[in-house]
Amino acid sequence: AQRVTQPEKLLSVFKGAPVELKCNYSYSGSPELFWYVQYSRQRLQLLLRHISRESIKGFTADLNKGETSFHLKKPFAQEEDSAMYYCALSYGQNFVFGPGTRLSVLP
Amino acid sequence: GAVVSQHPSWVICKSGTSVKIECRSLDFQATTMFWYRQFPKQSLMLMATSNEGSKATYEQGVEKDKFLINHASLTLSTLTVTSAHPEDSSFYICSAGWGGNQPQHFGDGTRLSIL
Repeated sequence: AQRVTQPEKLLSVFKGAPVELKCNYSYSGSPELFWYVQYSRQRLQLLLRHISRESIKGFTADLNKGETSFHLKKPFAQEEDSAMYYCALSYGQNFVFGPGTRLSVLP
Repeated sequence: GAVVSQHPSWVICKSGTSVKIECRSLDFQATTMFWYRQFPKQSLMLMATSNEGSKATYEQGVEKDKFLINHASLTLSTLTVTSAHPEDSSFYICSAGWGGNQPQHFGDGTRLSIL
């Protein structure tokens, strides 16, 4: 079955430090992968998708088909990046979310 | 663009009553809508996938007769929690998309409190 795993439930880093949120997936076809973010008391919102290859709020994510990974990275974390981050896989009409990683950026 | 409206945002009701939650795509037609449940500080739990004009596909362990889903048009899906009990209290979130490999867009969620 298609799965998305995010090994870290909680990740704490200091402001200015690099951050990497891990995401691995299992899917035999060509995946469509996304990162969603949920700030405190706000709705889930799309952060970025792999096909657009863009940087949003300083975040980037590269699809590595060999390692079946789609890790989210930012070179210098900011306090306002503190939120819940979800990796998601889309295939056909299905959408599968990972369990999420809570990022806490400390001052 | 791609705005999803969910209503109501918070509802409190007595045990045994039924509650309907609406999910609307305001500026696009959503062929697929998803319904999730989220417990405090936990991830989203997919309840069902709703495709316009067809029956919803429920995830294992989700009672179809308890959580009735109707996706009668390309802009509206409803979730009705029938004969609600305190254990049904939760945060319910819908998302809508164009289908295929397009991203999903989320509503603000509905906090359901059953007394």
